[in-house]
Amino acid sequence: DTAVSQTPKYLVTQMGNDKSIKCEQNLGHDTMYWYKQDSKKFLKIMFSYNNKELIINETVPNRFSPKSPDKAHLNLHINSLELGDSAVYFCASSQAGQGVGGYTFGSGTRLTVV
Amino acid sequence: GENVEQHPSTLSVQEGDSAVIKCTYSDSASNYFPWYKQELGKRPQLIIDIRSNVGEKKDQRIAVTLNKTAKHFSLHITETQPEDSAVYFCAASKGNTPLVFGKGTRLSVIA
Repeated sequence: DTAVSQTPKYLVTQMGNDKSIKCEQNLGHDTMYWYKQDSKKFLKIMFSYNNKELIINETVPNRFSPKSPDKAHLNLHINSLELGDSAVYFCASSQAGQGVGGYTFGSGTRLTVV
Repeated sequence: GENVEQHPSTLSVQEGDSAVIKCTYSDSASNYFPWYKQELGKRPQLIIDIRSNVGEKKDQRIAVTLNKTAKHFSLHITETQPEDSAVYFCAASKGNTPLVFGKGTRLSVIA
């Protein structure tokens, strides 16, 4: 059983399009995250949700809108895609608060904007 | 906010040698310091972590040390093997904020 699953694994799309990435965890964790990993491998927090409530929004453009229908799901919708949005997006979850205890990452979604 | 610096950015060692990766953090309130390993094309995976009430932790060939006064922590890998080749990330958090990651170290173990 996959603990944190993301779909799709690859996404190639044109500039200006709108796309969504889905994430689901079956670990019973309360907190979920979106991280962006750029071409230099830097992992940067985008959003943090605790039990469906937005906790952190790290100066991400408002073209990015997360949605958490329940604590097991955290989706990411991106409007008006730009070339600079190309990256690998990782969903993650954790049990004990935001920063304590290990994160379990999804397998990532490689987004390419052309 | 927290800032985590990681060095070196690349590291090559001969198989069987030791590897050391160092990180510094800026927020003295940070109290949780995990290390993640990311193989090519894969997800980051937790390999070891340490909390601020402990100075050292060991798990087989991997150890982590923490110096709270100097605000730095290190990962030590002994008897390196080719399968240790990966990108390693340190991270820090004060428990009520998401993990802030260092920029990663690409470790190459040469057989």
